[in-house]
Amino acid sequence: AAGVIQSPRHLIKEKRETATLKCYPIPRHDTVYWYQQGPGQDPQFLISFYEKMQSDKGSIPDRFSAQQFSDYHSELNMSSLELGDSALYFCASSQRGIAENTIYFGEGSWLTVV
Amino acid sequence: GENVGLHLPTLSVQEGDNSIINCAYSNSASDYFIWYKQESGKGPQFIIDIRSNMDKRQGQRVTVLLNKTVKHLSLQIAATQPGDSAVYFCADTTSGTYKYIFGTGTRLKVLA
Repeated sequence: AAGVIQSPRHLIKEKRETATLKCYPIPRHDTVYWYQQGPGQDPQFLISFYEKMQSDKGSIPDRFSAQQFSDYHSELNMSSLELGDSALYFCASSQRGIAENTIYFGEGSWLTVV
Repeated sequence: GENVGLHLPTLSVQEGDNSIINCAYSNSASDYFIWYKQESGKGPQFIIDIRSNMDKRQGQRVTVLLNKTVKHLSLQIAATQPGDSAVYFCADTTSGTYKYIFGTGTRLKVLA
């Protein structure tokens, strides 16, 4: 079965640079979630989109922005990168209207800021 | 979830024994809960879920128990196998919202 696809899988950037992560949800899923996970930490919710509109916002820095496009894929844009932004970034998707609304995660994008 | 740095709670069990992993949640309005398994460097993998109108749900070798009174979830794994070694997270959400909050993970180590 198709899963959530994230790209790139690995990314190395320097401080103050910009990075963009992409997420392609499971087909027919209309909701996308972004999470950040530091080493040995719990996934921290950043932001979510439903039907291309921002729905919930978590601990997303002002330097980060995201959007969901007409084909439901989403991009997380990170600017003025800091060393502390080094983490595994996960995208997850779900389909509203389904009773359980289970969210399924991609394999993540490793961002290393040097 | 709380920042626990590199020191995740760890549960070590013998292969073949049963494992019980616990999780506390803080939002009394949460009405849907999921357990995830996460292997090193991979995304969280769905294991089992439960709605707040239930207190127990069984899957294949796994059982989730929900105690809403004390805001506590547990995951029971029967006949634990080496492939069960991973970090386990619970996540909760409230209907009408679009975010899941993860609890503190537990590292499960299966001893041969």
